[in-house]
Amino acid sequence: QQQVKQSPQSLIVQKGGISIINCAYENTAFDYFPWYQQFPGKGPALLIAIRPDVSEKKEGRFTISFNKSAKQFSLHIMDSQPGDSATYFCAAGSGGSYIPTFGRGTSLIVHP
Amino acid sequence: DVKVTQSSRYLVKRTGEKVFLECVQDMDHENMFWYRQDPGLGLRLIYFSYDVKMKEKGDIPEGYSVSREKKERFSLILESASTNQTSMYLCASSRGAAKNIQYFGAGTRLSVL
Repeated sequence: QQQVKQSPQSLIVQKGGISIINCAYENTAFDYFPWYQQFPGKGPALLIAIRPDVSEKKEGRFTISFNKSAKQFSLHIMDSQPGDSATYFCAAGSGGSYIPTFGRGTSLIVHP
Repeated sequence: DVKVTQSSRYLVKRTGEKVFLECVQDMDHENMFWYRQDPGLGLRLIYFSYDVKMKEKGDIPEGYSVSREKKERFSLILESASTNQTSMYLCASSRGAAKNIQYFGAGTRLSVL
């Protein structure tokens, strides 16, 4: 049973466009929602994270939107660049667990 | 910066061989993890450890074992490699106080022929 559902599996965007990746979760105990970015040949690295007491967090061109009632959160990449081409994983965790639950990943390609 | 180092980037082994994948972290993290990454399946947890000599099964432990004799080192062992264990293996670590921020190594791509 997938506890964190991520969509789409792949995404192609033109340079300058907006990339949007969505995640939905089921476990209401989750209280931490990180996003990881993985470039080819590298391991995932933390990109940005949000806690459920805020509805939005922005860091540069990257924004997380969080909807607690719908149990959904999303990553928006504004002005997408070819250098943003990577695989993105959403995740959810709780203070009582050592282990985040990952979505299955989204492969993003930004065409120049 | 946290550094998680996996000993090999690429490995090619034959079916039935015993395979050791090594991982070392330099930030004194309590928790260490082994994942495998397959297209369309994301990251699947094999084993994790929250302390020296402690280990817990993840979602897909069958065919694998682990060893953590020192805090900085976490080894994944394939007792008898099979072709369905061909995959990318990722090691990660995290601090006990910030359990949900994981730091990953670059991965080991294992091919079992």
